[in-house]
Amino acid sequence: NAGVTQTPKFQVLKTGQSMTLQCAQDMNHEYMSWYRQDPGMGLRLIHYSVGAGITDQGEVPNGYNVSRSTTEDFPLRLLSAAPSQTSVYFCASSYGRHYQYGYTFGSGTRLTVV
Amino acid sequence: DQQVKQNSPSLSVQEGRISILNCDYTNSMFDYFLWYKKYPAEGPTFLISISSIKDKNEDGRFTVFLNKSAKHLSLHIVPSQPGDSAVYFCAASARGGGSEKLVFGKGTKLTVNP
Repeated sequence: NAGVTQTPKFQVLKTGQSMTLQCAQDMNHEYMSWYRQDPGMGLRLIHYSVGAGITDQGEVPNGYNVSRSTTEDFPLRLLSAAPSQTSVYFCASSYGRHYQYGYTFGSGTRLTVV
Repeated sequence: DQQVKQNSPSLSVQEGRISILNCDYTNSMFDYFLWYKKYPAEGPTFLISISSIKDKNEDGRFTVFLNKSAKHLSLHIVPSQPGDSAVYFCAASARGGGSEKLVFGKGTKLTVNP
C-alpha cells in the first residue's frame, strides 16, 4: 500500500518559474486536498476535490491551479512562482467525509522559491 | 480571524503522566473536530475525532473531550510516552456546503521526557 505519494520531496525554483507538484493515491479515495504549512501558521487549504472532474478553492488558492482528471491523481500547478510560495505542501485524501475516516496525508514537498 | 486556536505553542510532560492539549474555536457551525499528530519531515497522521453531538470520544490512550458551550475541546493522552513527542494539530469542519474543508489550528508541540 503506497497510500498518498507526493513528488518531488524537495524543489528549488526561481521566481517566475512554473512547476507541478504531483500527488497520487492508490486507495480509491473520493476526496483529495492540497494544504500548505508555513512556520507558526498551521495548515491552510489551497484547493480540494470531491471527485474526478470536480475541484474548488480553499483558503489560499491564489497562484495555484488544480485539475482532477482521474480519481488517483490531483496535481497542483504553480503558475509563476513567488518567494511567498516557499512552504511545505501536503496532499491528502479521504474515502468519504473526512471526519469519519480522517484524511491520509502524503509526506510533503518542501518548496523553496528564490 | 483564526477560527481554530491552539494557544499553547508547546507543552512538556514527564513519561507516564497525563498530557492535555487544548483547542478553542469560534465558528458555531463547526460540527466535527479532529486531532492530528505530526512528526518532523512527515505528513500529519489522523489520531481521533469527535462529532458535535458527543462530548467524549476515547481510543486507547487518547480521549477527546468537547465542551460546546465553551467552544473548547481537549485531547488527553494517558499515560504519555516518549514516542508521543510530536506536534499536535486540532482541526474542525463546518456542516453544510464545503464540509470537506478542514480548518487547522497552529499546533502544539508536545515533548514527553523519559
